[in-house]
Amino acid sequence: GNSVTQMEGPVTLSEEAFLTINCTYTATGYPSLFWYVQYPGEGLQLLLKATKADDKGSNKGFEATYRKETTSFHLEKGSVQVSDSAVYFCALSDGQNFVFGPGTRLSVLP
Amino acid sequence: EAGVAQSPRYKIIEKRQSVAFWCNPISGHATLYWYQQILGQGPKLLIQFQNNGVVDDSQLPKDRFSAERLKGVDSTLKIQPAKLEDSAVYLCASSPTGGSYNEQFFGPGTRLTVL
Repeated sequence: GNSVTQMEGPVTLSEEAFLTINCTYTATGYPSLFWYVQYPGEGLQLLLKATKADDKGSNKGFEATYRKETTSFHLEKGSVQVSDSAVYFCALSDGQNFVFGPGTRLSVLP
Repeated sequence: EAGVAQSPRYKIIEKRQSVAFWCNPISGHATLYWYQQILGQGPKLLIQFQNNGVVDDSQLPKDRFSAERLKGVDSTLKIQPAKLEDSAVYLCASSPTGGSYNEQFFGPGTRLTVL
């Protein structure tokens, strides 16, 4: 079945540091890929998505590129802020099922 | 545009008791999802509705969990009787049309603690 693997957290960075959160997936066909973010005490929000190979999703300074050859969708941001502290979930959809990774907690220190 | 509403936000019950959660999706959204999110894990889909019909309930523990979506709008999720391992956050989400390529909009969740 489909699955998503993320780097284990927690990840702790200083403000303005570069962020990478790794995500790899296993799926048949050509799934859509998503990053969701969950701020403390809130529900999940879509951060960005990509629907086909080589697409780059971007939002709020975050980027992720759909790499079919490596089955990856790594999340990156050039300069993190304290307000980026949250849990980040990688997810995929094959049009039938939506599968989330376990989440990676990011803490950004001032 | 109002978001997905859920209630209650928190619930504490004893094992073997019953509990119900309510969800009101975004107006006009045909698809509604219930997820279970255990601490430290990603959300796991319990059931998916398309209007008032069930699309996928393969991971719903049907001996104790039930869900309905009356008139294709609001939905309730019930647990009867609850077990300790049901302690989790229960998330409701909705999306405009069928097909999981669409963005899902999540409610704030209901945190259930079973003692």
